[in-house]
Amino acid sequence: DSGVTQTPKHLITATGQRVTLRCSPRSGDLSVYWYQQSLDQGLQFLIQYYNGEERAKGNILERFSAQQFPDLHSELNLSSLELGDSALYFCASSPTGPLSQTQYFGPGTRLLVL
Amino acid sequence: EDKVVQSPLSLVVHEGDTVTLNCSYEVTNFRSLLWYKQEKKAPTFLFMLTSSGIEKKSGRLSSILDKKELFSILNITATQTGDSAVYLCAVGNNNDMRFGAGTRLTVKP
Repeated sequence: DSGVTQTPKHLITATGQRVTLRCSPRSGDLSVYWYQQSLDQGLQFLIQYYNGEERAKGNILERFSAQQFPDLHSELNLSSLELGDSALYFCASSPTGPLSQTQYFGPGTRLLVL
Repeated sequence: EDKVVQSPLSLVVHEGDTVTLNCSYEVTNFRSLLWYKQEKKAPTFLFMLTSSGIEKKSGRLSSILDKKELFSILNITATQTGDSAVYLCAVGNNNDMRFGAGTRLTVKP
């Protein structure tokens, strides 16, 4: 158990809908990262927040957005969902700001868009 | 374009064998290379490498980075069935973290 928690574990929704995924980092970690893992694209970095501010942006679609709250938990919002958004979404956390450091992954949220 | 290539994509060995997994990369402003093990769910951290030629070891696993030739290897000696997993290589700079497609290792009893 990495200490990173994610809810929900599973989510089934329809095309065009909007969902919110939630992540609580390890105690004391200031950075939160979001990743998407699909069968055809592998693990892709979406976005990083550090102490409430966006720090780095990867392959995140405009339909997706994220934020980190004062208590350091983070939410990833996915809107206008398409079939291709079906994937495993991981959150990870680390103590400090630099992107390229050891990250501790949560168990993931499996999203299925029908 | 930045990329991370892992080889082989899949490997089947028997318990006790030694395996070498490869990761080559082209990433601008390289900061570090990380190895993760992914079994059923979340990736778990194995090693982070930032300097060339310095071997990192943890039990039967070891890894080394060559920043001149832009690659890293992950060695697993005396493999066990519990080593069966997908091994992911990730390379990062200040703005992005790129993952390879992974090597699926299957260790047969």
